[in-house]
Amino acid sequence: QQPVQSPQAVILREGEDAVINCSSSKALYSVHWYRQKHGEAPVFLMILLKGGEQKGHEKISASFNEKKQQSSLYLTASQLSYSGTYFCGPGRTDSWGKLQFGAGTQVVVTP
Amino acid sequence: DADVTQTPRNRITKTGKRIMLECSQTKGHDRMYWYRQDPGLGLRLIYYSFDVKDINKGEISDGYSVSRQAQAKFSLSLESAIPNQTALYFCATSDGAEEKLFFGSGTQLSVL
Repeated sequence: QQPVQSPQAVILREGEDAVINCSSSKALYSVHWYRQKHGEAPVFLMILLKGGEQKGHEKISASFNEKKQQSSLYLTASQLSYSGTYFCGPGRTDSWGKLQFGAGTQVVVTP
Repeated sequence: DADVTQTPRNRITKTGKRIMLECSQTKGHDRMYWYRQDPGLGLRLIYYSFDVKDINKGEISDGYSVSRQAQAKFSLSLESAIPNQTALYFCATSDGAEEKLFFGSGTQLSVL
């Protein structure tokens, strides 16, 4: 089952903030976030571990609520380089050893 | 040099043809994956392999097969290509620890 991401898309001006949410119907031990720029492969951004530990990238941070099986990605003071599609996925393989991703959130940052 | 290399980068084929997409890696990872990406659907897992003798189906394996020729090589075959297999295909590896994925550059496949 695919994690559910919201919103599907967001348009920001440089300097604005945004939040991307990811929720799972299955127990999550950890959460990964990836970013894919147009025409490129997805690139790992960060991992969120059980217990709420956050590991940030640039001015992008995230939180993980394992009880609610939810994670949120925070784009703070967005830059043009933040444009791309963001995917969440279970950081650790579930009992079937699969790494399934959300459908993605497209972020466009304009000047 | 890229750590995860996919060939070809682009491929156009006809319905019914058998084709193979290849992936090789120099990261020394045991785990390798094949994903396809379609607009609006994100990344969907086709097959994954935890080592040379361990190959497993993902969520959308019908119409596909794989071969793990060595730790470094993992190939995806379309036995009889059909138009709805037109997609962007990614190979990925992980180290099995934090499961961080490293992706190849992708293969854009078009089935006419």
